[in-house]
Amino acid sequence: NAGVTQTPKFRILKIGQSMTLQCTQDMNHNYMYWYRQDPGMGLKLIYYSVGAGITDKGEVPNGYNVSRSTTEDFPLRLELAAPSQTSVYFCASSYSAGLLSGNTIYFGEGSWLTVV
Amino acid sequence: DAKTTQPPSMDCAEGRAANLPCNHSTISGNEYVYWYRQIHSQGPQYIIHGLKNNETNEMASLIITEDRKSSTLILPHATLRDTAVYYCIVRRGGTASKLTFGTGTRLQVTL
Repeated sequence: NAGVTQTPKFRILKIGQSMTLQCTQDMNHNYMYWYRQDPGMGLKLIYYSVGAGITDKGEVPNGYNVSRSTTEDFPLRLELAAPSQTSVYFCASSYSAGLLSGNTIYFGEGSWLTVV
Repeated sequence: DAKTTQPPSMDCAEGRAANLPCNHSTISGNEYVYWYRQIHSQGPQYIIHGLKNNETNEMASLIITEDRKSSTLILPHATLRDTAVYYCIVRRGGTASKLTFGTGTRLQVTL
């Protein structure tokens, strides 16, 4: 298994440009997440999905959009890039196995985005 | 999900046990305690998790107090490669549950 794969690893955007961060997982997980991490800070949840066709906002969703058309893929779209979106973005996934189960969340290696 | 409190930083000599504390006094009955670590700016790495009982795996041990209001992650023989930020997270199991990260404990392992 490759686990959680994110592309691109690095990207520089100009203010106002749009782009999509790709995320795919091959573990048949139904939960997927997007986090961002600013320098010296903890991770903040942007959006998450509990299955194909279902998405929901996290803590910091403004300026982003997501879709979940398949179990494997969970792309994150930035429509009008702003300097405040300069950050490291992590995609993650987990398998839900019932109300009382502890489900491990697996993370990708991150995508470094700079908006100038 | 319950809030956690961790010391901002700790030091440990290489070869010694590293004991990282976490307070989660508002934890509820169906919430698990998870530990993750992040080395430099890599993706967070799962270490261990538990509900009530103490847990051990190849990486670490997790000691949860009987009242579940605090826990300790133990790295039995810390190495320089264990230098990282360690996050203690309380998470409800089941549907729509997600990890909420605090600022963690920065563990520095020294020679």
